[in-house]
Amino acid sequence: DVKVTQSSRYLVKRTGEKVFLECVQDMDHENMFWYRQDPGLGLRLIYFSYDVKMKEKGDIPEGYSVSREKKERFSLILESASTNQTSMYLCASSLVQNYGYTFGSGTRLTVV
Amino acid sequence: DQQVKQNSPSLSVQEGRISILNCDYTNSMFDYFLWYKKYPAEGPTFLISISSIKDKNEDGRFTVFLNKSAKHLSLHIVPSQPGDSAVYFCAASAIQGAQKLVFGQGTRLTINP
Repeated sequence: DVKVTQSSRYLVKRTGEKVFLECVQDMDHENMFWYRQDPGLGLRLIYFSYDVKMKEKGDIPEGYSVSREKKERFSLILESASTNQTSMYLCASSLVQNYGYTFGSGTRLTVV
Repeated sequence: DQQVKQNSPSLSVQEGRISILNCDYTNSMFDYFLWYKKYPAEGPTFLISISSIKDKNEDGRFTVFLNKSAKHLSLHIVPSQPGDSAVYFCAASAIQGAQKLVFGQGTRLTINP
């Protein structure tokens, strides 16, 4: 069964910490995405990548960076965590020219 | 600037009846639309999609309708079942958008026995 795996289901971090959220897919998909889900706001795109070492800003990239050193892995980095980054983070992947994203189960991050 | 809007945060429907979830968009460059379903503690899963060259797409109990002039789409579920209780997200993409999807806020559907 193909899947997208996010390394942590729940994380609690302190303000100012550097936080790494990891995502791995086993479907050989070219595209990978990071979204955050907040009540009343839906899913908002943070960053995406359509190839190894390629990255593009989404709608809300401020305070985040990403890394894609290998095709199967896409990492989201919070350079200095803040309380307004408390959210559900969802990773997704897709084939080129295919809108059928496969999502991971999400990481609920709480910044205290 | 919410380009995709789902104005109903929640919807409650009796089992066996029709559920209608609505979605409006503002960007006239959007040409592909999708619905995703999300259960608690799981990622969203793809449900059904429609291209702007069509006005209807059907898959079993699920039908999506697209009204381009009104920039409106809807998802019909007939008949509704308890397992349909979930949050439904509408999403849209433009052909120039590198397969980026823009999501709505979501509608929580509850099917009552």
